[in-house]
This record gives sequence, C-alpha cells and structure tokens, in this order.
Amino acid sequence: EAGVAQSPRYKIIEKRQSVAFWCNPISGHATLYWYQQILGQGPKLLIQFQNNGVVDDSQLPKDRFSAERLKGVDSTLKIQPAKLEDSAVYLCASSLEAPAYEQYFGPGTRLTVT
Amino acid sequence: QKEVEQNSGPLSVPEGAIASLNCTYSDRGSQSFFWYRQYSGKSPELIMFIYSNGDKEDGRFTAQLNKASQYVSLLIRDSQPSDSATYLCAGNTNAGKSTFGDGTTLTVKP
Repeated sequence: EAGVAQSPRYKIIEKRQSVAFWCNPISGHATLYWYQQILGQGPKLLIQFQNNGVVDDSQLPKDRFSAERLKGVDSTLKIQPAKLEDSAVYLCASSLEAPAYEQYFGPGTRLTVT
Repeated sequence: QKEVEQNSGPLSVPEGAIASLNCTYSDRGSQSFFWYRQYSGKSPELIMFIYSNGDKEDGRFTAQLNKASQYVSLLIRDSQPSDSATYLCAGNTNAGKSTFGDGTTLTVKP
C-alpha cells in the first residue's frame, strides 16, 4: 500500500513570496490533515478535511494560508505572502475516518523563508 | 495552558531499563489517544492507540489511560538505543479534533 505522498520535499523562498504544497493521501482515506511543525514543537493542526469538506480550520491563518481538496483526494496548501515565521515542516496526514483512527503521515515539506 | 501537555525532557535511560513517558490533557471531550514516535528529521509514526481506561500492551510497549485524571502514559520496557526519539502524545475528540503535545525526547544510552 502506497503511503502519503508530498511534494516538494524542500523549499526555500524569500519573505512575501508565495508557495504551494501538494499532498496525495493513502487511497480510501477520507480524512486529510495539514499540520505545521516548528522545530522543537509538536505538529499544529492547520486544517482538516473530511472528503471535500472542511472539518476544522480554526488555526489556519486565513489572511495568508489557503487549502483545498478537490474531488476528495489530493490537496494543496498555499501560503501567500510568506513570512519568516512560516519556516517549518508542513506535514500532511490521512486517516480512514476521524476521530477514532490513527493518522498516517507523509514525509513533509521543509519550508525555509529568508 | 496547552490542551495536551508533555514533559519536554530530555529523558535519559540506560539500555534495558523501563522508560516512562507521560501526557496530560485538558479537553474532557478527548476520547481516543495516540502515541507517535518521531525520529529526528522524520515524520511521526504510530506506536499505539488507546480508547478505554486501563492498560493496553503491545510487545515492549504499554499505554495507560486514566480519563478521570486526564492522564495518558507510555511505558517502554527493555529500552533499546533504537528507541531514542521524540514521543508525541495526541488526543482526538469525537468531533474529530486532533491535538498533539510538543513531545518528550527520549535517549537510551548503551
């Protein structure tokens, strides 16, 4: 069974530029999560999708971050414009069904904003 | 106060010893709890989950849950150097909200 795929793995941008991350969850997983993990901290949930719909985006900085999940499969997370404090690893995870099932994480995208 | 609290560590134990990792949570709506292991530079991977009060054992790992005390723990018996990692505790509510702690860094010394 293929795992969660993410791209790119690394990205370096200057502040005020825009960036997009892509995630392909495990086949059949209805729930998809985007997390931001700053060095030394645990993953912080940015947005959670159940199929096409948003379940929780309470911690998503909506003035600069946006996310979509078209057709209930792939998802993209965008940051525009980026700030220095956005430097982090962005993790995508998927699960069969929230809330009871474990999450499977992708390899993450390490973003550096200079 | 964070919703899920863990001692940041580092926790250091000798090889073969028992490592005890603790987690407390504030949201009484949390119903299921997960322990993930994260090696440096890698993504979290699931070790165990627990839903019911009491103990759950899986090989060298035992998870303990006490909902009255809002406390979750993970015991690692016969610790190995390969167990050296950061251990993340996560709680899920029935509404689907998932919250992670900041993790405890464990070092197992040969």
